[in-house]
Amino acid sequence: DAGITQSPRHKVTETGTPVTLRCHQTENHRYMYWYRQDPGHGLRLIHYSYGVKDTDKGEVSDGYSVSRSKTEDFLLTLESATSSQTSVYFCAISESTGTGQLDAFFGPGTRLTVL
Amino acid sequence: LAKTTQPISMDSYEGQEVNITCSHNNIATNDYITWYQQFPSQGPRFIIQGYKTKVTNEVASLFIPADRKSSTLSLPRVSLSDTAVYYCLVGDIRNAGNMLTFGGGTRLMVKP
Repeated sequence: DAGITQSPRHKVTETGTPVTLRCHQTENHRYMYWYRQDPGHGLRLIHYSYGVKDTDKGEVSDGYSVSRSKTEDFLLTLESATSSQTSVYFCAISESTGTGQLDAFFGPGTRLTVL
Repeated sequence: LAKTTQPISMDSYEGQEVNITCSHNNIATNDYITWYQQFPSQGPRFIIQGYKTKVTNEVASLFIPADRKSSTLSLPRVSLSDTAVYYCLVGDIRNAGNMLTFGGGTRLMVKP
Protein backbone atom coordinates (compact mmCIF):
# COMPACT_ATOMS: atom_id res chain seq x y z
CA ASP A 1 0.00 0.00 0.00
CA ALA A 2 1.08 3.56 -0.71
CA GLY A 3 2.50 5.41 2.28
CA ILE A 4 -0.25 7.80 3.26
CA THR A 5 -1.25 8.62 6.80
CA GLN A 6 -3.85 10.96 8.15
CA SER A 7 -3.97 12.49 11.59
CA PRO A 8 -5.94 12.55 13.69
CA ARG A 9 -8.08 9.54 12.71
CA HIS A 10 -10.96 10.72 14.86
CA LYS A 11 -11.76 14.13 16.27
CA VAL A 12 -14.66 15.67 18.13
CA THR A 13 -14.71 19.43 18.38
CA GLU A 14 -17.10 22.26 19.09
CA THR A 15 -18.67 24.75 16.73
CA GLY A 16 -16.50 27.79 16.15
CA THR A 17 -13.16 26.20 16.94
CA PRO A 18 -10.37 25.90 14.36
CA VAL A 19 -9.39 22.39 13.30
CA THR A 20 -6.39 21.21 11.29
CA LEU A 21 -6.16 17.82 9.65
CA ARG A 22 -2.85 16.50 8.41
CA CYS A 23 -2.05 14.28 5.45
CA HIS A 24 1.45 12.86 5.23
CA GLN A 25 2.91 10.86 2.34
CA THR A 26 6.17 9.03 1.87
CA GLU A 27 5.76 8.46 -1.89
CA ASN A 28 7.07 11.85 -3.08
CA HIS A 29 3.96 12.25 -5.24
CA ARG A 30 3.33 15.63 -6.75
CA TYR A 31 -0.45 15.81 -6.44
CA MET A 32 -2.38 15.77 -3.16
CA TYR A 33 -6.11 16.12 -2.56
CA TRP A 34 -8.58 16.58 0.27
CA TYR A 35 -12.09 15.14 -0.05
CA ARG A 36 -15.08 14.93 2.22
CA GLN A 37 -17.62 12.16 2.19
CA ASP A 38 -21.00 12.35 3.87
CA PRO A 39 -23.20 9.32 4.57
CA GLY A 40 -24.64 7.86 1.40
CA HIS A 41 -22.77 10.27 -0.84
CA GLY A 42 -19.78 10.16 -3.09
CA LEU A 43 -16.53 11.99 -2.53
CA ARG A 44 -16.47 15.74 -2.99
CA LEU A 45 -13.22 17.53 -3.65
CA ILE A 46 -12.38 20.33 -1.20
CA HIS A 47 -8.91 21.48 -2.27
CA TYR A 48 -6.01 20.02 -4.16
CA SER A 49 -2.31 20.71 -4.62
CA TYR A 50 -0.11 20.26 -7.67
CA GLY A 51 3.16 21.07 -5.91
CA VAL A 52 4.72 22.78 -2.91
CA LYS A 53 2.86 26.03 -2.28
CA ASP A 54 0.65 25.38 -5.32
CA THR A 55 -2.95 24.77 -4.33
CA ASP A 56 -6.39 25.38 -5.78
CA LYS A 57 -10.03 25.10 -4.81
CA GLY A 58 -12.25 22.13 -5.47
CA GLU A 59 -16.02 21.95 -5.63
CA VAL A 60 -16.74 22.49 -1.89
CA SER A 61 -13.95 24.77 -0.66
CA ASP A 62 -15.97 27.32 1.37
CA GLY A 63 -14.94 27.26 5.04
CA TYR A 64 -11.71 25.35 4.33
CA SER A 65 -8.13 26.39 3.67
CA VAL A 66 -5.06 24.32 2.85
CA SER A 67 -1.31 24.62 2.96
CA ARG A 68 1.53 22.63 1.48
CA SER A 69 4.95 23.80 2.60
CA LYS A 70 6.64 20.45 1.96
CA THR A 71 6.05 17.77 -0.65
CA GLU A 72 5.06 15.22 1.97
CA ASP A 73 2.52 17.22 3.99
CA PHE A 74 -0.86 18.67 3.00
CA LEU A 75 -2.81 20.38 5.77
CA LEU A 76 -6.55 21.05 5.76
CA THR A 77 -7.82 23.75 8.12
CA LEU A 78 -11.40 24.42 9.11
CA GLU A 79 -11.10 28.03 10.16
CA SER A 80 -14.23 27.99 12.31
CA ALA A 81 -15.82 24.56 12.41
CA THR A 82 -19.57 24.22 11.86
CA SER A 83 -21.87 21.24 12.30
CA SER A 84 -22.25 21.01 8.51
CA GLN A 85 -18.57 20.11 8.34
CA THR A 86 -19.14 16.90 10.28
CA SER A 87 -17.92 14.32 7.80
CA VAL A 88 -15.25 11.80 6.93
CA TYR A 89 -12.25 13.44 5.32
CA PHE A 90 -10.01 11.55 2.90
CA CYS A 91 -6.64 12.56 1.62
CA ALA A 92 -5.34 11.24 -1.69
CA ILE A 93 -2.09 11.41 -3.60
CA SER A 94 -1.32 10.84 -7.23
CA GLU A 95 1.47 11.12 -9.70
CA SER A 96 1.74 11.44 -13.41
CA THR A 97 3.10 8.37 -15.14
CA GLY A 98 4.02 10.49 -18.14
CA THR A 99 1.35 8.85 -20.28
CA GLY A 100 -1.75 10.54 -18.86
CA GLN A 101 -2.68 7.80 -16.43
CA LEU A 102 -4.35 8.55 -13.12
CA ASP A 103 -2.93 6.50 -10.27
CA ALA A 104 -4.41 7.79 -7.04
CA PHE A 105 -4.02 6.33 -3.56
CA PHE A 106 -6.20 7.21 -0.61
CA GLY A 107 -5.50 7.55 3.07
CA PRO A 108 -7.52 5.81 5.79
CA GLY A 109 -9.74 8.83 6.47
CA THR A 110 -10.41 11.15 9.40
CA ARG A 111 -13.80 11.10 11.05
CA LEU A 112 -14.62 14.62 12.26
CA THR A 113 -17.60 15.45 14.45
CA VAL A 114 -18.49 19.06 15.12
CA LEU A 115 -20.90 19.49 18.03
CA LEU B 1 -12.24 16.07 -16.33
CA ALA B 2 -14.94 14.54 -18.48
CA LYS B 3 -18.33 14.23 -16.78
CA THR B 4 -19.39 10.66 -16.11
CA THR B 5 -22.77 8.99 -15.66
CA GLN B 6 -23.24 5.64 -13.91
CA PRO B 7 -26.23 3.75 -12.51
CA ILE B 8 -26.86 4.63 -8.88
CA SER B 9 -27.16 1.04 -7.71
CA MET B 10 -27.11 -2.58 -8.88
CA ASP B 11 -27.94 -5.90 -7.28
CA SER B 12 -26.39 -9.25 -8.09
CA TYR B 13 -25.96 -12.74 -6.66
CA GLU B 14 -22.83 -14.62 -5.73
CA GLY B 15 -21.15 -16.30 -8.67
CA GLN B 16 -22.66 -14.04 -11.31
CA GLU B 17 -20.79 -11.72 -13.64
CA VAL B 18 -21.50 -8.05 -13.03
CA ASN B 19 -21.14 -5.35 -15.67
CA ILE B 20 -21.23 -1.68 -14.68
CA THR B 21 -21.36 0.82 -17.52
CA CYS B 22 -20.13 4.40 -17.34
CA SER B 23 -21.00 7.06 -19.94
CA HIS B 24 -18.47 9.79 -20.72
CA ASN B 25 -19.59 11.46 -23.93
CA ASN B 26 -17.13 14.36 -23.77
CA ILE B 27 -14.00 12.30 -23.18
CA ALA B 28 -10.86 14.02 -24.54
CA THR B 29 -8.19 12.47 -26.71
CA ASN B 30 -5.63 12.17 -23.91
CA ASP B 31 -8.04 11.01 -21.21
CA TYR B 32 -7.73 7.65 -19.51
CA ILE B 33 -10.60 5.76 -17.88
CA THR B 34 -10.09 4.59 -14.31
CA TRP B 35 -12.30 2.64 -11.93
CA TYR B 36 -12.12 2.70 -8.16
CA GLN B 37 -13.76 0.55 -5.50
CA GLN B 38 -14.76 1.78 -2.07
CA PHE B 39 -15.76 -0.33 0.92
CA PRO B 40 -17.57 1.22 3.88
CA SER B 41 -15.30 3.25 6.17
CA GLN B 42 -12.37 3.01 3.76
CA GLY B 43 -10.90 5.23 1.08
CA PRO B 44 -11.35 4.24 -2.56
CA ARG B 45 -8.81 1.92 -4.10
CA PHE B 46 -7.71 1.58 -7.70
CA ILE B 47 -9.18 -1.36 -9.62
CA ILE B 48 -8.33 -0.94 -13.27
CA GLN B 49 -7.43 1.63 -15.90
CA GLY B 50 -7.50 1.74 -19.67
CA TYR B 51 -7.37 3.90 -22.76
CA LYS B 52 -9.03 1.80 -25.44
CA THR B 53 -10.19 -1.74 -26.29
CA LYS B 54 -9.93 -4.21 -23.43
CA VAL B 55 -7.84 -4.36 -20.30
CA THR B 56 -7.82 -7.28 -17.88
CA ASN B 57 -6.15 -7.80 -14.54
CA GLU B 58 -6.59 -10.22 -11.68
CA VAL B 59 -9.60 -8.34 -10.34
CA ALA B 60 -11.63 -7.14 -13.31
CA SER B 61 -11.88 -6.41 -17.02
CA LEU B 62 -12.49 -3.06 -18.64
CA PHE B 63 -14.14 -2.84 -22.03
CA ILE B 64 -13.86 0.39 -24.00
CA PRO B 65 -15.54 0.71 -27.42
CA ALA B 66 -13.84 2.41 -30.34
CA ASP B 67 -15.57 5.77 -29.79
CA ARG B 68 -14.53 5.74 -26.10
CA LYS B 69 -17.77 7.46 -25.07
CA SER B 70 -18.54 4.73 -22.56
CA SER B 71 -16.78 1.97 -20.68
CA THR B 72 -17.87 -1.18 -18.90
CA LEU B 73 -16.32 -2.61 -15.77
CA SER B 74 -16.79 -6.36 -15.65
CA LEU B 75 -16.44 -8.28 -12.39
CA PRO B 76 -16.37 -12.05 -12.96
CA ARG B 77 -18.09 -14.38 -10.50
CA VAL B 78 -18.74 -11.83 -7.76
CA SER B 79 -18.72 -12.74 -4.09
CA LEU B 80 -20.26 -11.07 -1.06
CA SER B 81 -16.97 -9.23 -0.51
CA ASP B 82 -17.44 -7.37 -3.81
CA THR B 83 -20.28 -5.40 -2.24
CA ALA B 84 -18.98 -1.84 -2.52
CA VAL B 85 -19.35 1.44 -4.36
CA TYR B 86 -17.65 1.61 -7.75
CA TYR B 87 -16.54 4.92 -9.25
CA CYS B 88 -15.65 5.71 -12.84
CA LEU B 89 -13.21 8.58 -13.46
CA VAL B 90 -12.03 10.01 -16.75
CA GLY B 91 -9.14 12.43 -17.17
CA ASP B 92 -5.54 13.26 -18.02
CA ILE B 93 -3.29 13.92 -15.06
CA ARG B 94 -0.77 15.77 -17.23
CA ASN B 95 -3.04 18.83 -17.48
CA ALA B 96 -2.01 21.66 -15.20
CA GLY B 97 -4.35 22.06 -12.28
CA ASN B 98 -5.51 18.49 -12.56
CA MET B 99 -8.28 17.38 -10.24
CA LEU B 100 -9.67 13.96 -9.47
CA THR B 101 -13.40 14.52 -9.41
CA PHE B 102 -15.62 11.64 -8.40
CA GLY B 103 -19.24 11.25 -9.41
CA GLY B 104 -21.81 9.51 -7.26
CA GLY B 105 -20.62 6.01 -8.09
CA THR B 106 -22.57 2.75 -8.42
CA ARG B 107 -23.52 0.93 -5.23
CA LEU B 108 -23.23 -2.80 -5.91
CA MET B 109 -24.99 -5.18 -3.55
CA VAL B 110 -24.07 -8.85 -3.88
CA LYS B 111 -26.58 -11.23 -2.32
CA PRO B 112 -26.10 -14.86 -1.26
